[in-house]
Amino acid sequence: EVQLVQSGAEVKKPGESLKISCKGSGYSFTSYWIGWVRQMPGKGLEWMGIIYPGDSDTRYSPSFQGQVTISADKSISTAYLQWSSLKASDTAMYYCARFGGGKRRNPIDYWGQGTLVTVSS
Amino acid sequence: DIQMTQSPSSLSASVGDRVTITCRASQGISNYLAWFQQKPGKAPKSLIYAASSLQSGVPSKFSGSGSGTDFTLTISSLQPEDFATYYCQQYNSYPFTFGQGTRLEIK
Repeated sequence: EVQLVQSGAEVKKPGESLKISCKGSGYSFTSYWIGWVRQMPGKGLEWMGIIYPGDSDTRYSPSFQGQVTISADKSISTAYLQWSSLKASDTAMYYCARFGGGKRRNPIDYWGQGTLVTVSS
Repeated sequence: DIQMTQSPSSLSASVGDRVTITCRASQGISNYLAWFQQKPGKAPKSLIYAASSLQSGVPSKFSGSGSGTDFTLTISSLQPEDFATYYCQQYNSYPFTFGQGTRLEIK
């Protein structure tokens, strides 16, 4: 059974750093893109970026380029989303999602349960 | 970036109704279009990919069509569990943008 299990909710102060995780299981982690999606409170879904763990090929949305870092550790089948200096506007639910197999264009088929990040002084 | 525009933004319908949601891309995306369902407080669920193919386990009451720039999601015989927010997403080119969502409410 394919599963994406995300790390727990976080409460941080502005300026702090943060790294959240998404662990894949039940499939070959290196053969599927993993992406991150932001959902701000009461708002829609925003595509942030994507990584192919097999070769660490990473693509970012221009809206998020330079604001976050996406990485993966294939030895433990885990993808990460990282901030070096959080802002209050980063408060949101963050979902990881698996895209279909191979490096061609593929749709999302599985989602993680979400990680709520709250940034407040 | 490719802009995805859904209509309507919200929709009221009754149990048993058939509804259609439209998604328009700002440029041609072939059939690289997916649909998702999200219920309050839950992660999205994948429904349709390649514009008209059902994800595994998705009931046939959901159907999709379209190619190029215009796409539709149709839900037949609405049941209480179908009332949710629906999103389209293009995966033709980066960034893989989403539509703004369509909230389907019980009349």
